[in-house]
Amino acid sequence: EVQLVESGGSVVRPGGSLRLSCAASGFTFDDYDMSWVRQVPGKGLEWVSGINWNGDSRSYADSVKGRFTISRDNAKNSLYLQMNSLRGEDTAVYYCAKPYCNDSGCYHFDLWGQGTLVSVSS
Amino acid sequence: DIQVTQSPSTLSASVGDRVTITCRTSQSISRWLAWYQQKPGKAPKLLIYKASILESGVPSRFSGSGSGTEFTLTISSLQPDDFATYFCEEYSSYYNFGQGTKLEIK
Repeated sequence: EVQLVESGGSVVRPGGSLRLSCAASGFTFDDYDMSWVRQVPGKGLEWVSGINWNGDSRSYADSVKGRFTISRDNAKNSLYLQMNSLRGEDTAVYYCAKPYCNDSGCYHFDLWGQGTLVSVSS
Repeated sequence: DIQVTQSPSTLSASVGDRVTITCRTSQSISRWLAWYQQKPGKAPKLLIYKASILESGVPSRFSGSGSGTEFTLTISSLQPDDFATYFCEEYSSYYNFGQGTKLEIK
């Protein structure tokens, strides 16, 4: 079955750190760029970070730049998000998302995980 | 950064109605726009990509149109399963999402 399964969400204090994981299965993981997208409960979606197929290129939303680090382990079919210096506004459901990719590039997201909740609170 | 403005934020309609949701972008994105449906507690589900291409398995009552800076999602005849929140997403550069439209039962 083609799927993404996130884990690692929890309650953390402001200033704390957390590492999210996303396990991919059912497709050739290292053929695809990957992203993290977050959603404050009841609100809209925000792209957080993306990484290319081999990890050589990473990009971040301004809201997390310098605090979050995206990485991947293709041997383990896994994507990660290291979140440091967490703030209340980082409270959200974090989704792992796979784009549709072809020889010309990567485009819309065609596969999402179920999400993992990060709550930053004292 | 490209801004995406989606309207309306809430839409009340009845089963069988035809409804339209609009997304406007702050600069031209050609046809690099997708539409998603999201139900409470679930991940977004892809409906339409490249402005008008229906994802496999999505009912034909869903359709998309537009190019440049203005796009629409139309549901031709609402079914009970369609009451959900809908998001547009531009992917011409990075990824930017509209604020969402909650489709409610009238």
